Formats: sequence, C-alpha cells, structure tokens
Amino acid sequence: EVQLVESGGGLAQPGGSLRLSCAASGFAFSNYWMHWVRQVPGKGLVWVSRINSDGSNTTYADSVKGRLTISRDNAKNTLYLQMNSLRAEDTAVYYCARDGYTSGYDFDFWGQGTLVTVSS
Amino acid sequence: DIQMTQSPSSVSASVGDRVTITCQASQGIGSWLAWYQQKPGKAPKRLIYAASSLQSGVPSRFSGSGSGTDFTLTISSLQPEDFATYYCQQSNTFPLTFGGGTKVEIK
Repeated sequence: EVQLVESGGGLAQPGGSLRLSCAASGFAFSNYWMHWVRQVPGKGLVWVSRINSDGSNTTYADSVKGRLTISRDNAKNTLYLQMNSLRAEDTAVYYCARDGYTSGYDFDFWGQGTLVTVSS
Repeated sequence: DIQMTQSPSSVSASVGDRVTITCQASQGIGSWLAWYQQKPGKAPKRLIYAASSLQSGVPSRFSGSGSGTDFTLTISSLQPEDFATYYCQQSNTFPLTFGGGTKVEIK
C-alpha cells in the first residue's frame, strides 16, 4: 500500500525556517518524481515544487523560488522541503504527492498534509 | 501560466441527481487534465487522469471528458459519500495549476 507521511510542520516566525519531511513507503520511491502542493485552510490547491526521480532536476512556483528548496534522499525514501525566509502567505497545509508518471504531471497519491503557520 | 476556470463554484444537489462540473483551460492542454475529490480535513484523491481515465478503485458513476481547453466531470447518480469539493488540474505544463474548486452540497 502506498503511504506518504508528512512531518515537520508547526509555527514559525516571519523570516524563519522550517524543514518538512515526507516519508514514503509501499512503492519504489527512487523511480518516481515527487511534488509538494499547498492549501491555505478553506482555499484552493496550489502546486509548489517538483523533483525528478534522482534529485538532479527541480522546478518551483514563482512565489517560492529562492526561498523553498525541494530535495530527496532515495536511500531513506524521504522527500524534503526546506523553507527559508518564511512569510505570512506561506501559511498553509503542505501535502507531498507522488507524480502520476504516465498521465502528465498529476498526483496519484497524497500524504495527509502538515500545517505550517507563519506568524509572530 | 495556464489558468483553469471551474464552474460552478458550488452546486446543491440531491442523492440520485446527475451533476456536471466544467473546467476551462486558458490555452490548449491536449488531454492532460486530472480531477480530484477532497473532503473536509482530508487530502485530495485523484478520480480521473488524462481527461477520461478512471483511477483504479473509483466508482464508475464518475466520468471525465474533453480535450483541448474544455473538460467535464460528470457524476451520473450522486451518492451521499460524493458530497465534497472537486478540483481540476492541468498536468501539461509547469507551473501546474488547479481550478478554483466546485463544492457539491446537499440540497
């Protein structure tokens, strides 16, 4: 069974940092692209970033470029999102999601999400 | 960026009703479109990929159609467990973008 479990969310101050993790199991993690998607509570879904299977290539939404960094450790079956220079508008639930692989760039499995709150 | 416009933003329907949600892309995306269902406090769940392919395990009352810029999600006979918010997403080009969502509510 595919499982994605996020952790690392919490309260951070504006300008501060957090690192989110997403532990993957039930599939060959190293074969799949992975994504982060976020959602302000009560609002819609916003794609944040993606990373290819070996971690050599990444893409970001303009709103997070230069502040958030996606990475992965295939030996640990874990995806990361390093969040620096946090802003109030980064407050959201962050989901990791597996790339659909054969269906363009969509998301066939999602984690349960972790809430990041940026506030002083 | 490709803008995805979903309509309606909300719909009130009864169990057994046929419900149709539309999604329009600001430019052609071929068949690179997915539909998701999200219930309160839960992660989204993929229902449809590549515009019309049904995700394994999803009931056959869900169907998708369209190509280019205009797409449709249809629920043929609404069930109590289908009351949720539905999102479309273009899977063609980065940045990946979602529609604003359609909340399906009980009439």
